[in-house]
Amino acid sequence: AQSVTQLDSQVPVFEEAPVELRCNYSSSVSVYLFWYVQYPNQGLQLLLKYLSGSTLVESINGFEAEFNKSQTSFHLRKPSVHISDTAEYFCAVSDRGSSNTGKLIFGQGTTLQVKP
Amino acid sequence: GAGVSQTPSNKVTEKGKYVELRCDPISGHTALYWYRQSLGQGPEFLIYFQGTGAADDSGLPNDRFFAVRPEGSVSTLKIQRTERGDSAMYLCASSPHYTYNEQFFGPGTRLTVL
Repeated sequence: AQSVTQLDSQVPVFEEAPVELRCNYSSSVSVYLFWYVQYPNQGLQLLLKYLSGSTLVESINGFEAEFNKSQTSFHLRKPSVHISDTAEYFCAVSDRGSSNTGKLIFGQGTTLQVKP
Repeated sequence: GAGVSQTPSNKVTEKGKYVELRCDPISGHTALYWYRQSLGQGPEFLIYFQGTGAADDSGLPNDRFFAVRPEGSVSTLKIQRTERGDSAMYLCASSPHYTYNEQFFGPGTRLTVL
């Protein structure tokens, strides 16, 4: 069985400050890793994903996440946040093995609150 | 193009009633997923369709929950004898194929059971 733990339920931060949203996972098989974002009153959107290759992946709006296999982590970072980054962020995994159906196992979510 | 749509956006029902929640996936997407999200929690997987068949229904909580996708496009999640604990946001997502590794989510249906 797989599980995902997001260590912080809420992260308040001032605009232009750096931020890290933490994600750890547990799995007996290899996984794909994802970050989804949910802006207020909108549906979930894919922010970035790790499938293979470079362990550092980036989004188009300045977020990055690094897959750390030894620590089973996939933390999300941004060097300078904007008010518009205020949203709920979800870390998720899916099985990459023979039983892969693409179904996602989500963490509990982290609310990023960017203050002016 | 149009994204995933879900109807109704809100559904209020009484305990013991039957409800149907509809999902219209993105045209051409063969993979369709249902998730349930309780307040303050992440989405939880319910069921996955590849085409018309339910390839994985391991997340359905009990036999009151059932889902269909008869023509491989629109899907309906059906809940019989609703209970207050069924109150949640029900999310639908679609993907070109399960190996595509990106799911496109609809806005959800908020179900409230009184």
